[in-house]
Amino acid sequence: EVQLLASGGGLVQPGGSLRLSCAASGFTFSSSGMSWVRQAPGKGLEWVSSISSTSGNTYYADSVRGRFTVSRDNSKNTLYLHMNSLSAEDTALYYCAKRLSGSSKGFDCWGQGTLVTVSS
Amino acid sequence: QSALTQPASVSGSPGQSITISCAGTSSDVGGYNFVSWYQQHPGKAPKLMIYDVSNRPSGVSNRFSGSKSGNTASLTISGLQAEDEADYYCSSYTSSGTFYVFGTGTKVTVL
Repeated sequence: EVQLLASGGGLVQPGGSLRLSCAASGFTFSSSGMSWVRQAPGKGLEWVSSISSTSGNTYYADSVRGRFTVSRDNSKNTLYLHMNSLSAEDTALYYCAKRLSGSSKGFDCWGQGTLVTVSS
Repeated sequence: QSALTQPASVSGSPGQSITISCAGTSSDVGGYNFVSWYQQHPGKAPKLMIYDVSNRPSGVSNRFSGSKSGNTASLTISGLQAEDEADYYCSSYTSSGTFYVFGTGTKVTVL
């Protein structure tokens, strides 16, 4: 069974930093592109970042570029999101998601999310 | 990159068919056959319902179908059931400098 378990969320002050993790199991992690998607309370989904299977390519939403860094450790089957210079606008439930394989595009498996709250 | 435009709400009676639209541009929906649709029940993670415009993942009911015309994609739910009541989001690959863009979301209500 494909599983994604996100962790690392919590309460952080404006300007602070946080690192999210996403532990993957049930599929060949090292062959799968991965992404982070967030959802502010009561709001819609927002794509945040994606990373290719070998970490060779990374992509970011304009709203986080320069502040967030996506990475992965294929030896640990784990995806990361390093978040710096956090503001209230970054408060959201952060989902990790597995990208479809091959040339298809979309997210076929989602974790349960980890909540990030930015507040003083 | 602006979000794709969806109607805020759509409703229908059990057994009816409803269609949710997803309007984009030639840089996303219109330019690529990479539109996907997600269903999200309250407090739950999103679930992939349609990918690459019209493909259904294994396990998704054939009551769900997707299509595209120009810069607008659509999700049709036929034989509406109570369990279909949820939020639905479209998403598309985009060449605008980011990678993916989501729609604004549509709340489906089964009357």
